[in-house]
Amino acid sequence: TQLLEQSPQFLSIQEGENLTVYCNSSSVFSSLQWYRQEPGEGPVLLVTVVTGGEVKKLKRLTFQFGDARKDSSLHITAAQPGDTGLYLCAGDMNRDDKIIFGKGTRLHILP
Amino acid sequence: EAQVTQNPRYLITVTGKKLTVTCSQNMNHEYMSWYRQDPGLGLRQIYYSMNVEVTDKGDVPEGYKVSRKEKRNFPLILESPSPNQTSLYFCASSPSPLRGEIQYFGPGTRLLVL
Repeated sequence: TQLLEQSPQFLSIQEGENLTVYCNSSSVFSSLQWYRQEPGEGPVLLVTVVTGGEVKKLKRLTFQFGDARKDSSLHITAAQPGDTGLYLCAGDMNRDDKIIFGKGTRLHILP
Repeated sequence: EAQVTQNPRYLITVTGKKLTVTCSQNMNHEYMSWYRQDPGLGLRQIYYSMNVEVTDKGDVPEGYKVSRKEKRNFPLILESPSPNQTSLYFCASSPSPLRGEIQYFGPGTRLLVL
């Protein structure tokens, strides 16, 4: 059972368009993180959300944590080719010390 | 520079030949973890360690061992590698796994078991 479901799996859009990717679960997480991974490298943390309903902005990226702390979304405004990569969400459930990762959304921005 | 290092970066081996992938961090982090990343399966946690001499199984520990004799090092040991362990492996460290602490990932080790 995949605890964190990410959608879509793949997304290819034109430069300048907006997009949203999702990270959903039926379980409650004490925190959720979003990472971006580029080919040949390890994931790099973009943001951590901890409070239900929290919204964080990182330049053109907006992250939201659901009120019930079961889901999160990443919205990119005016996507650029440099946004291309694998976007991963990860969460901890505060019941053990494991970190759960989603399978990722592979994003490709066409110039 | 704060970093997590892994060695080797690439490894080709044969079934049954014991191997060790080293992981070291210079941030004095308590929490360290090993993941494998496979197409269609994402990142899956193999083992993690809360501190020296404290290790626990993640989601896919079968066929792997780890040790945490020193805070900075967390080697991953494959006693008898098999082809289904061909994968991309990442080591990560964090001050703590809880409260959303940042995890720093190493550059990855690509392993091929023939």
